[in-house]
Amino acid sequence: KQEVTQIPAALSVPEGENLVLNCSFTDSAIYNLQWFRQDPGKGLTSLLLIQSSQREQTSGRLNASLDKSSGRSTLYIAASQPGDSATYLCAAAYNFNKFYFGSGTKLNVKP
Amino acid sequence: DTGVSQDPRHKITKRGQNVTFRCDPISEHNRLYWYRQTLGQGPEFLTYFQNEAQLEKSRLLSDRFSAERPKGSFSTLEIQRTEQGDSAMYLCASSFGSGGAVDTQYFGPGTRLTVL
Repeated sequence: KQEVTQIPAALSVPEGENLVLNCSFTDSAIYNLQWFRQDPGKGLTSLLLIQSSQREQTSGRLNASLDKSSGRSTLYIAASQPGDSATYLCAAAYNFNKFYFGSGTKLNVKP
Repeated sequence: DTGVSQDPRHKITKRGQNVTFRCDPISEHNRLYWYRQTLGQGPEFLTYFQNEAQLEKSRLLSDRFSAERPKGSFSTLEIQRTEQGDSAMYLCASSFGSGGAVDTQYFGPGTRLTVL
């Protein structure tokens, strides 16, 4: 059974700090791994998608890495801002119709 | 491209009533997914459509749940005889892909269901 775990469940940091969110998955035979952002009461916004053949993807202040052999992905946020406060979710895709989400990390960036 | 839309955004119903939700995907997307999300948890997969064909259903989708995607465009999710345990956010997502390719999913804002 595929499981996706995110640690920590919640994180509070001062503005300007660099931070790392962690995602681990039990089955390394993934197609890709996707990071999402979810604001309270809203849907999910895709941030980065890493294909299984890739090691990392970057978008602005965000960098996501993927290590299939160890079953881990990290999302690095540089120079955090209060607007980054949200819940960050990772999802492991094992097929075009099988996606498993973690429970998320709730990030609070304090001004 | 107006994104994925869902209607209604909120639904309050009494136990035992039937409810229906609608999802309009991004127009050129052939794949459509329904998820359920409860507080503090990530979305759980419910069902998947490729064009008008429902190709995958989770065991979470009991007999009280039914989904359709006529003509491969919008989709509806109906819950019959609602129970309090059905209270959750119901999310719709769409993507474009062919074969076994796995592409970025675009999510709608969700429908929050409260069963009293």
